[in-house]
Amino acid sequence: NAGVTQTPKFRILKIGQSMTLQCAQDMNHNYMYWYRQDPGMGLKLIYYSVGAGITDKGEVPNGYNVSRSTTEDFPLRLELAAPSQTSVYFCASSNTVGSYEQYFGPGTRLTVT
Amino acid sequence: GNSVTQMEGPVTLSEEAFLTINCTYTATGYPSLFWYVQYPGEGLQLLLKATKADDKGSNKGFEATYRKETTSFHLEKGSVQVSDSAVYFCALSERIGGSQGNLIFGKGTKLSVKP
Repeated sequence: NAGVTQTPKFRILKIGQSMTLQCAQDMNHNYMYWYRQDPGMGLKLIYYSVGAGITDKGEVPNGYNVSRSTTEDFPLRLELAAPSQTSVYFCASSNTVGSYEQYFGPGTRLTVT
Repeated sequence: GNSVTQMEGPVTLSEEAFLTINCTYTATGYPSLFWYVQYPGEGLQLLLKATKADDKGSNKGFEATYRKETTSFHLEKGSVQVSDSAVYFCALSERIGGSQGNLIFGKGTKLSVKP
């Protein structure tokens, strides 16, 4: 199993550009999440999904969009990149039972200049 | 709302020293509690967890006990190694939208272990 994979690993964007961060999991998990991690801070939830076709906002959704057309994939879209979106982005997934343990991808480091 | 507070770092120890990283939480209900570890350049990995009061989670020599009376989940290890150098995050789960949990993270504690 590959677990949770993310692409790209690094990206530099200019202000106003758009991009999609890819996330995929092969564990057949229904729940998927996007977090951002700013320096010296914990992770903050951007969006989450409880299954294909169902998404909802987390703590910091502004400037982002998501879709969930399949169980495996959960891409995160930045439409008009801003310097405030410079961060490391983590995708995670979890099963629907138990202690809500989440499995994380390796992250995407995004810089907006 | 729910929150997690963990001790500020960085923490620097010599190899074989005893480690404690304090974590306290505020939550309604009965959340599950976690410690995640992040090695340099990598994503977060679950280190250990506890799902109810008085549970002890343990893994790789690390331990933490879910203390409801003190709302704490302190991480301990009796003898740290250089390979334990990483950032450690305390987290709790909370229900969102009536469904399974979001994780609320502390800010992380960076541990450096010197030979």
